[in-house]
Amino acid sequence: GQQVMQIPQYQHVQEGEDFTTYCNSSTTLSNIQWYKQRPGGHPVFLIQLVKSGEVKKQKRLTFQFGEAKKNSSLHITATQTTDVGTYFCADAGGSQGNLIFGKGTKLSVKP
Amino acid sequence: KAGVTQTPRYLIKTRGQQVTLSCSPISGHRSVSWYQQTPGQGLQFLFEYFSETQRNKGNFPGRFSGRQFSNSRSEMNVSTLELGDSALYLCASSLDSGPAFTQYFGPGTRLTVL
Repeated sequence: GQQVMQIPQYQHVQEGEDFTTYCNSSTTLSNIQWYKQRPGGHPVFLIQLVKSGEVKKQKRLTFQFGEAKKNSSLHITATQTTDVGTYFCADAGGSQGNLIFGKGTKLSVKP
Repeated sequence: KAGVTQTPRYLIKTRGQQVTLSCSPISGHRSVSWYQQTPGQGLQFLFEYFSETQRNKGNFPGRFSGRQFSNSRSEMNVSTLELGDSALYLCASSLDSGPAFTQYFGPGTRLTVL
């Protein structure tokens, strides 16, 4: 079935370092949504990308959608301890009319 | 606006029992989706309700069921609980039906099956 692969599974960084998580699919993605889940919390919507090659920024976060709509990335510049959490990508093209989530990238930031 | 609320927040049951979880969406949201989150499988879609009708369903056995009321509140039921049903159950509401609409998640119900 449809799968969204997310790498890496874990990332440990020093505060101030950059961080990138990648979302890949063997099939064309419908649109990509990114969520953040803090430890002990629930997923919180960050952004949605719809167009091929789209790039959106939110302060230190940069989201990209690949030209072929088969991959997406989230880049955080100069991480802070508040960035700690698991970042999920989700494809809105599920065959059951659902979001298909990647397994997430768990980010830890050492102060 | 108040966010999505879920009750109860924590639940401990034994195998074979059944459980009902409740979700109140954001005011004005008509769609409610349910997800199961486990460390091994991640976030998996259970079903979506819109206007009291099940619109979409994931690949879960029939022991998992749900319903939606006229005020958009939703419940999900799991019968004959198994150990593997231990998980965080999240509901998410959105303005309209379909995954393209932003999903607003509730805090979840942590279910432990002993």
